[in-house]
Parts: sequence; C-alpha cells; structure tokens
Amino acid sequence: NAGVMQNPRHLVRRRGQEARLRCSPMKGHSHVYWYRQLPEEGLKFMVYLQKENIIDESGMPKERFSAEFPKEGPSILRIQQVVRGDSAAYFCASSPRSQNTGELFFGEGSRLTVL
Amino acid sequence: GDSVTQMEGPVTLSEEAFLTINCTYTATGYPSLFWYVQYPGEGLQLLLKATKADDKGSNKGFEATYRKETTSFHLEKGSVQVSDSAVYFCALSDAGGKLIFGQGTELSVKP
Repeated sequence: NAGVMQNPRHLVRRRGQEARLRCSPMKGHSHVYWYRQLPEEGLKFMVYLQKENIIDESGMPKERFSAEFPKEGPSILRIQQVVRGDSAAYFCASSPRSQNTGELFFGEGSRLTVL
Repeated sequence: GDSVTQMEGPVTLSEEAFLTINCTYTATGYPSLFWYVQYPGEGLQLLLKATKADDKGSNKGFEATYRKETTSFHLEKGSVQVSDSAVYFCALSDAGGKLIFGQGTELSVKP
C-alpha cells in the first residue's frame, strides 16, 4: 500500500518563475494537508483540502500561493513568481477523513530552492 | 489560538542516556496530542499519540503522558540509541482537525 507520494523531491527555480508541487495521498484518503518547513523552523500549516474543496486556507500567504485537489489526480501546490524566501521543504499529509484524533500520514517532502 | 511549545535543541546525549523532551500546549477544548519524528531527509512519522487526559502513548521505548493539569506531553525514553538521532515534533490537533506543531527538537545521540 503506497504511502503519500510527493514530487518532485527537489526543485530549483529562479526568482520570478513558478513552482508546482504535487501530492498523491494514500489510497482511500480524501483529505490533504500542506505544511511548510522553513530552515531551522518547525512545520507551519498552509492549507487543508478535500476533493474539489478548500476547507481551511488560513495558513496560506495571501498572494502568489494557491492549492487545489481536483476530483481526479494529485493535489497541487502552486507558487507563482517565487522569491528566495519561498525556499523551504513543503510537506503534504493525508488522512482518510476529517478526524479529531488528527493522525496524519506524511510524504517525504518537496524541497524548493529559489536561486 | 492553539499553540505548542517545545524545549529548544539541539539535545546531545550519549548512548544509553535518559531522554526527556519537554512539550507544553495551549488549546481550547481537549485536543489529541502527538509526537512525530523526522529522520534526516525524510518526512514525518507518527511516533506516539494520546487522545485524552492521563492517557499514555508509547512506541519503540518512547512514552509520553497527557497531563491536563500541567498542559504537558513530555517525551521520555529510558535508554537512547544512536539510531534515535532525529528531530522530534510535538503536536496537537485543533478543533478543525489540523495539526499544530511545536518548533521541533533536534536530538543527537553519540556512541
């Protein structure tokens, strides 16, 4: 049973380019969460999605960042016009349902470097 | 809002030493509490959890007890190994179901 799959594992972009990060949740999971880990910092919640719906985007920067989880295919985190401060590890996690127990299953992350 | 505070690292121990990593939380209601571990270059893995007051979570020799009176969930292990070297994150689940993490504590175990 495959775990949460993220790609690319490493992405290098120049300032002003776009970055697209993909996440395929575990089989049977319909809830996806994106977290960002800046160097020397913990994980910060960005957005929580279900299929075709954004449930909570309270952690998303107001500009340049967007996320989707279409009916078919992986969840996508999109960063437009990247800046050096966007360099970070972006982790996706999934769960089978919205649950107060909160256990999430994480992917190995996508590490974005902005030159 | 809800938050989690962990002791700062890095923590350096010799093999077979006793480990404690402190974690306290602030939350409305009664969240579930978690410890996740991140090995170098990898994603987070659930280490243990507790869903209500006085519950003890345990796994791989690690344990933590949900203390409502002190709003704490300290991680302990009686005898650490080199393979335990990693970053440890304390977390709580908020009312909306998402996890809120502490800043992480890096543990380095020397042979």
